[in-house]
Amino acid sequence: DARVTQTPRHKVTEMGQEVTMRCQPILGHNTVFWYRQTMMQGLELLAYFRNRAPLDDSGMPKDRFSAEMPDATLATLKIQPSEPRDSAVYFCASAKSGGTGELFFGEGSRLTVL
Amino acid sequence: DQQVKQNSPSLSVQEGRISILNCDYTNSMFDYFLWYKKYPAEGPTFLISISSIKDKNEDGRFTVFLNKSAKHLSLHIVPSQPGDSAVYFCAASRNDYKLSFGAGTTVTVRA
Repeated sequence: DARVTQTPRHKVTEMGQEVTMRCQPILGHNTVFWYRQTMMQGLELLAYFRNRAPLDDSGMPKDRFSAEMPDATLATLKIQPSEPRDSAVYFCASAKSGGTGELFFGEGSRLTVL
Repeated sequence: DQQVKQNSPSLSVQEGRISILNCDYTNSMFDYFLWYKKYPAEGPTFLISISSIKDKNEDGRFTVFLNKSAKHLSLHIVPSQPGDSAVYFCAASRNDYKLSFGAGTTVTVRA
């Protein structure tokens, strides 16, 4: 059963702490996305990679957020330092180039920054 | 800059009736449109899509209509079932897999 796996599912931290979220894309998918769900904006694109190379991270606050793909099976999203306004659900999604254009989403990481 | 807009945050419909969800977009370069469904505590899942070369795509109880001149698409669910209660996101892309999403519409199907 191929699926995108995200960890942690829930994270509560204090303002100023570093937070790292991890994502394992579906095997064979070469495009990986990080989205953030907020009440007002819906799903906002933070960054995405193709073949591990960053293609667009314009949606990400550069001073505190960073996204990487150390290898084809792992994508990370790091926030340092975290702030209360970062509280949201962060979704990772993957897709296969040349496919239907459909993105497959993980279950999300719910972050609460106190 | 919200390029995809879902102006109705919520919709309540009786079981068996039609649900109509609307979506507007501003970027004329979008050429692929999708609807995703999301249950609480789960990730969004793909529901149905349509290419800009078509004006209608049907899959079982779900039909998506595209009006390019109006930059508008809609999702029809007929008949609505209790399991359809979820948040529905409209999304659009320029064939580069970079999806722009709307804010979502919460559908509640009443028994």
